[in-house]
Amino acid sequence: ILNVEQSPQSLHVQEGDSTNFTCSFPSSNFYALHWYRWETAKSPEALFVMTLNGDEKKKGRISATLNTKEGYSYLYIKGSQPEDSATYLCAFNDYKLSFGAGTTVTVRA
Amino acid sequence: GAGVSQSPSNKVTEKGKDVELRCDPISGHTALYWYRQSLGQGLEFLIYFQGNSAPDKSGLPSDRFSAERTGGSVSTLTIQRTQQEDSAVYLCASSLEFRDSYGYTFGSGTRLTVV
Repeated sequence: ILNVEQSPQSLHVQEGDSTNFTCSFPSSNFYALHWYRWETAKSPEALFVMTLNGDEKKKGRISATLNTKEGYSYLYIKGSQPEDSATYLCAFNDYKLSFGAGTTVTVRA
Repeated sequence: GAGVSQSPSNKVTEKGKDVELRCDPISGHTALYWYRQSLGQGLEFLIYFQGNSAPDKSGLPSDRFSAERTGGSVSTLTIQRTQQEDSAVYLCASSLEFRDSYGYTFGSGTRLTVV
């Protein structure tokens, strides 16, 4: 079982503020790191698949960076909106995804 | 279909009964995965199918759990003699291929409650 850790477990953000949170994963035998957004009553939605050290990906106001040598990834939300409220999951991909427990983001209007 | 379809969406069963959960992946996706999320826990890997290869069953928690995938498409997860600790949301996902660079597409899940 691969150890994928996310912190913090939850956070509350005021609308308009920016925030970020962390995923740490094994730095050996790295293939890819996935980020998913999981909104209540919906299915997890793929945000990013990151494979290269130093990779930065962006989708709207959400972006992610990757450091494979030290085994961490950051996800950033710029100018948070209520619709960003969700649980954000990262997952380490060897031949299957090993998920972290997630960071639950609540954006207050 | 356009997405991954799971049925039923909710299932309440009595302890000791058998249940079957169904997953219909995206057409053409060769890889299919089952995960579950128990209350307060993260997503737990159960089983993985890739094409015609033997499935990876390493995540199945006990021999009461089994899964099959017929014709490389629809998959059924069967839980025999259900226990209360089996209560969870069971998620199915598919991807175009092993280590798909586009990520997995998840179904909306089956919420299983064992009473």
